[in-house]
Amino acid sequence: GAVVSQHPSRVICKSGTSVKIECRSLDFQATTMFWYRQFPKKSLMLMATSNEGSKATYEQGVEKDKFLINHASLTLSTLTVTSAHPEDSSFYICSARTGHEQYFGPGTRLTVT
Amino acid sequence: KNEVEQSPQNLTAQEGEFITINCSYSVGISALHWLQQHPGGGIVSLFMLSSGKKKHGRLIATINIQEKHSSLHITASHPRDSAVYICAVRDSGTYKYIFGTGTRLKVLA
Repeated sequence: GAVVSQHPSRVICKSGTSVKIECRSLDFQATTMFWYRQFPKKSLMLMATSNEGSKATYEQGVEKDKFLINHASLTLSTLTVTSAHPEDSSFYICSARTGHEQYFGPGTRLTVT
Repeated sequence: KNEVEQSPQNLTAQEGEFITINCSYSVGISALHWLQQHPGGGIVSLFMLSSGKKKHGRLIATINIQEKHSSLHITASHPRDSAVYICAVRDSGTYKYIFGTGTRLKVLA
């Protein structure tokens, strides 16, 4: 079946630094990629939707200057958390869509110290 | 009221038991996913359903579109099945996914 990978699976960074998370569709071309965030004991919340070659569409309340999304190709999207703060510590999940099918990545655990 | 409700929220079972986790939703959907999230966070996609029933190993997922309900069954449960199981539906109007809050399953040896 289709596979979506994320790298890294876990990352620890210091406050004020930036960290990049990669999302790749391994055996299909993703016309659209999604980034979600999971707060402790909460359901996943959509942060933004990105289409290859165009600007991401952010959900209400998500700071676009803080969470930079780049969808450079049909198989790669990146989420960069800029000027990270401990409150950005969370589990970030990407998902990739091709046609009517959508597949979820394994997630990245970000800890900001 | 959440658009996607899961029950139970927490479940403890003995090894070997048959387990059922339920998901009810209130929106029109074009697809439903069952996801498994292990301690430590990693997510595994178990099933994607739009109708009927799917089986993979000891796992069975069913969906009833008319009743807006899906179930995930685990036969001969094992401690390694201990995880959080999340139901996610794709809203047929917005094409966005809505997630349940998950069912935390613990299988005791």
